[in-house]
Amino acid sequence: RKEVEQDPGPFNVPEGATVAFNCTYSNSASQSFFWYRQDCRKEPKLLMSVYSSGNEDGRFTAQLNRASQYISLLIRDSKLSDSATYLCVVNMGNAGNMLTFGGGTRLMVKP
Amino acid sequence: EPEVTQTPSHQVTQMGQEVILRCVPISNHLYFYWYRQILGQKVEFLVSFYNNEISEKSEIFDDQFSVERPDGSNFTLKIRSTKLEDSAMYFCASSEGAGWETQYFGPGTRLLVL
Repeated sequence: RKEVEQDPGPFNVPEGATVAFNCTYSNSASQSFFWYRQDCRKEPKLLMSVYSSGNEDGRFTAQLNRASQYISLLIRDSKLSDSATYLCVVNMGNAGNMLTFGGGTRLMVKP
Repeated sequence: EPEVTQTPSHQVTQMGQEVILRCVPISNHLYFYWYRQILGQKVEFLVSFYNNEISEKSEIFDDQFSVERPDGSNFTLKIRSTKLEDSAMYFCASSEGAGWETQYFGPGTRLLVL
């Protein structure tokens, strides 16, 4: 079973749409969770951390379900600049600092 | 805003040659990492480094790889005898702490082994 699994997409949505991405992880002992964004041929950049209570940052909302080992990201009012690959990332290390990345979900926002 | 820097941005080498990839982590960070991303594939963890020693490493990080913090600012990844399959983007990252602390990534070094 893949450690962090995501639908690769692409998700093609019009500007202003709401889009949701999901992710599942295999290690129930994982302690910290993140969404990163990666533009083509660039480095991953943190979008937001994901907390058990759920958290929101502007148009972005992240949710964590530990029982189902499931993480989600909701983007409201999509902008053209949101077009990127969204990486679900889980900290699985024994020492607490080994990030395990999903394969990413590609989002394309069209005018 | 402080950022992680990496040099060179691109490196082309012949199979069997040694390469050294360089990184300058964010100055007050204590944890340093190397990741790689083969073209079209996911980002993969290689190694983490804290207090001048390796704290974790993956199966990819075999005897051909080594890391070093030769001075107070640089953090290097050495590949002793490159193979074709080492061709990838190598990202350095750093964080203030472990666990929940954000890891900030450098722009990467694109390594091509011929």
